[in-house]
Amino acid sequence: EVQLVESGGGLIQPGGSLRLSCAASGFTVSSNHMNWVRQAPGKGLEWVSILYGDGSTSYADSVKGRFTISRDNSKNTLCLQMNSLRAEDTAVYYCVRAVDYIFHNWGQGTLVTVSS
Amino acid sequence: QAVLTQPSSLSASPGASASLTCTLRSGINVGTYRIYWYQQKPGSPPQFVLRYKSDSDKQRGSGVPSRFSGSKDASANAGILLISGLQSEDEADYYCMIWHSNAWVFGGGTKLTVL
Repeated sequence: EVQLVESGGGLIQPGGSLRLSCAASGFTVSSNHMNWVRQAPGKGLEWVSILYGDGSTSYADSVKGRFTISRDNSKNTLCLQMNSLRAEDTAVYYCVRAVDYIFHNWGQGTLVTVSS
Repeated sequence: QAVLTQPSSLSASPGASASLTCTLRSGINVGTYRIYWYQQKPGSPPQFVLRYKSDSDKQRGSGVPSRFSGSKDASANAGILLISGLQSEDEADYYCMIWHSNAWVFGGGTKLTVL
């Protein structure tokens, strides 16, 4: 059974850094296209970043230069390093596995709150 | 102007049909895109409903009933999620999504109320 479990969220001050992790089971992260999608409280979905199986990446303009997506193959984990955080980054962050470009498996999400 | 525009809300009666639209920004031709639809219920992550590009390029999610179907309205430059025989369990937020300019883009979502 495929499972995705996010961790690392919490309260952080503006300008701070946070690292999210997504522990995967039931499949191999490095063989799949993995995404981060976020949802601000009471708002819609916003795609954040993708890490392709070949290691290439893409980012939303809103996070480009501040966020870095990566994976730890030894732990079968997807990561998101978030720097220079802003209030508008406050959201639930979902880890998503894509299969044939379909966002097939979603984690339950981890809440990041950026506030002083 | 947003890449994808969805009406914020839609209400329909049980047993009726609901047509959820996803309008692409002028200059972006709906005919060239696969449009993905996701359903999200309160407190849960989204789930894939279906994707539609044409009648020969479409796919419904596992376990999604055939009451859910996709189409396009080229004259309106829009993708459509049609839900027929509405049931109370269909009440949810629905998001459309496309791959555009090397990024996934979501519409703002439509809150479907079945009453």
